[in-house]
Amino acid sequence: GNSVTQMEGPVTLSEEAFLTINCTYTATGYPSLFWYVQYPGEGLQLLLKATKADDKGSNKGFEATYRKETTSFHLEKGSVQVSDSAVYFCALLTSNTGKLIFGQGTTLQVKP
Amino acid sequence: DGGITQSPKYLFRKEGQNVTLSCEQNLNHDAMYWYRQDPGQGLRLIYYSQIVNDFQKGDIAEGYSVSREKKESFPLTVTSAQKNPTAFYLCASSIVGGKTNYGYTFGSGTRLTVV
Repeated sequence: GNSVTQMEGPVTLSEEAFLTINCTYTATGYPSLFWYVQYPGEGLQLLLKATKADDKGSNKGFEATYRKETTSFHLEKGSVQVSDSAVYFCALLTSNTGKLIFGQGTTLQVKP
Repeated sequence: DGGITQSPKYLFRKEGQNVTLSCEQNLNHDAMYWYRQDPGQGLRLIYYSQIVNDFQKGDIAEGYSVSREKKESFPLTVTSAQKNPTAFYLCASSIVGGKTNYGYTFGSGTRLTVV
């Protein structure tokens, strides 16, 4: 079945450090891939997405590239800020199920 | 602006009571979903509906009930049969019909606490 695996957190970084959160997936067909962010006490917000192989999604300095050969969609940011502290969820969606499959989430803590 | 509205933001339930969480969307989305999130954990699907007057159980439906009488509304009732209801509940909506480009839109959540 379809599944998403994220690196375990928490990830603790100093401000301006480089961020990578790993995400790999298993899916039949050709899924769309998403990163959602959840700030404390809030719902999930779409951060970025990619709908086909080699697409790069980007938003607010975050990037992720859809790698079909490695079935990965790693999230990166060159210089994190304290305001980036949140939980990040990787997810996939296939047209055959219509259901969004989430990874378990990775907590990012950025210290000044 | 279009979006999803969940209410209330905080809800307290006494033992043995049923409570209903509201979810309304004005995005003209066909599908709606309810998720439960426990501290430090991911999201678990409770129920979903892809069309009015129809809904399906998700992974943890026991102790919950839903209705979908209108396209815009998908209320969730947490019944007294749910033994551990304290959690953060998230509602979401999406387009259906093979259109996977858009993902889901989420509400801001309701935090339910048993007192």
